[in-house]
Amino acid sequence: QQQVKQSPQSLIVQKGGISIINCAYENTAFDYFPWYQQFPGKGPALLIAIRPDVSEKKEGRFTISFNKSAKQFSLHIMDSQPGDSATYFCAAVNTGTASKLTFGTGTRLQVTL
Amino acid sequence: NAGVTQTPKFRVLKTGQSMTLLCAQDMNHEYMYWYRQDPGMGLRLIHYSVGEGTTAKGEVPDGYNVSRLKKQNFLLGLESAAPSQTSVYFCASRGAAGELFFGEGSRLTVL
Repeated sequence: QQQVKQSPQSLIVQKGGISIINCAYENTAFDYFPWYQQFPGKGPALLIAIRPDVSEKKEGRFTISFNKSAKQFSLHIMDSQPGDSATYFCAAVNTGTASKLTFGTGTRLQVTL
Repeated sequence: NAGVTQTPKFRVLKTGQSMTLLCAQDMNHEYMYWYRQDPGMGLRLIHYSVGEGTTAKGEVPDGYNVSRLKKQNFLLGLESAAPSQTSVYFCASRGAAGELFFGEGSRLTVL
């Protein structure tokens, strides 16, 4: 059972454009929603995370938008750069349960010149 | 400050062979995890540990065993490797805020 659904599977954006990746979850007990960035040959690295008590969190060019009632959250990358080309994973966890993250299936982002 | 270190980084096995993947973390984290990553399927949890001497099953535990004899180490074993276990394996430990720190992965091919 896929508890976190992520879309699109792949995304091509021009340099300077906005990249948007969407995730939806089912388990209302989730209380921490991180995004991970993974470059080829490397492990995933935490990019940005949000808790459900806020609707938006911004760190530099990266913003998470969170809609608790719709059980959806999204990652926006403003002014996308070629160096942002990577695979992005959303995840969700109930931090009261050994913090077992459930990951989305990933989005491969390519930022073209 | 190495973070999470996985060894080996690459391994090729024949069907039926056994092997152990080693994960070491130097951040004094209690919780550690083993994931496998396959194309189009994201990261799936194999086993995890909430502290030294404890282990628990994750989403896809069959064919794997783990041990956490020391707090800093988490071992993943394959007793009889199968081609379906060809994958990239990631170890992670959990920080105080709930964030996971991942190793760089161990790429396993089972022929």
